[in-house]
Amino acid sequence: TQLLEQSPQFLSIQEGENLTVYCNSSSVFSSLQWYRQEPGEGPVLLVTVVTGGEVKKLKRLTFQFGDARKDSSLHITAAQPGDTGLYLCAGDAGGGADGLTFGKGTHLIIQP
Amino acid sequence: DAGITQSPRHKVTETGTPVTLRCHQTENHRYMYWYRQDPGHGLRLIHYSYGVKDTDKGEVSDGYSVSRSKTEDFLLTLESATSSQTSVYFCAISGDRGNYGYTFGSGTRLTVV
Repeated sequence: TQLLEQSPQFLSIQEGENLTVYCNSSSVFSSLQWYRQEPGEGPVLLVTVVTGGEVKKLKRLTFQFGDARKDSSLHITAAQPGDTGLYLCAGDAGGGADGLTFGKGTHLIIQP
Repeated sequence: DAGITQSPRHKVTETGTPVTLRCHQTENHRYMYWYRQDPGHGLRLIHYSYGVKDTDKGEVSDGYSVSRSKTEDFLLTLESATSSQTSVYFCAISGDRGNYGYTFGSGTRLTVV
């Protein structure tokens, strides 16, 4: 079973600060995704990274896939209260129909 | 149109009773998944389906069964509900086994008393 470890588990910062969330594994993934979940709702896909070393930007969010495709990071620049939520990474090990392995998530609170 | 809907959104049931949760999609996606989400455990796969009448067990399948008689519907049944099955249940769909992302429903909050 592939495991994805996310860190930190909880993060509370002030509006305007920068932050990085990490997603690490000892396994290789064919792709890795990041989701954001708000209270009372299901996770919503933010981005998929496929190629080792790939960097994708979504406004103030920057996602990076490690060269060895075992880890990923999410960097938020100038965080805003609207960024508050649970951030989940998920990896596809490839092959089976059972799909994705999810990390336990990072609870992010951006205080005004 | 949401593309994926779960029903009911909330349910309280008594220990020992059977419960069925429904996931309905309008995207004609092949793959459907049932997860439960609990504090400290994250999202854990219960069962999944890769086509009509094609289903398989996930990580935490004990006490659960599923059925998929139509592409658009995936049912999760708790045979005899227990308090340990109190959780938030999410259905997800994918057209490509998840390699390019899942679309999740809004969840069902189930409380077993």
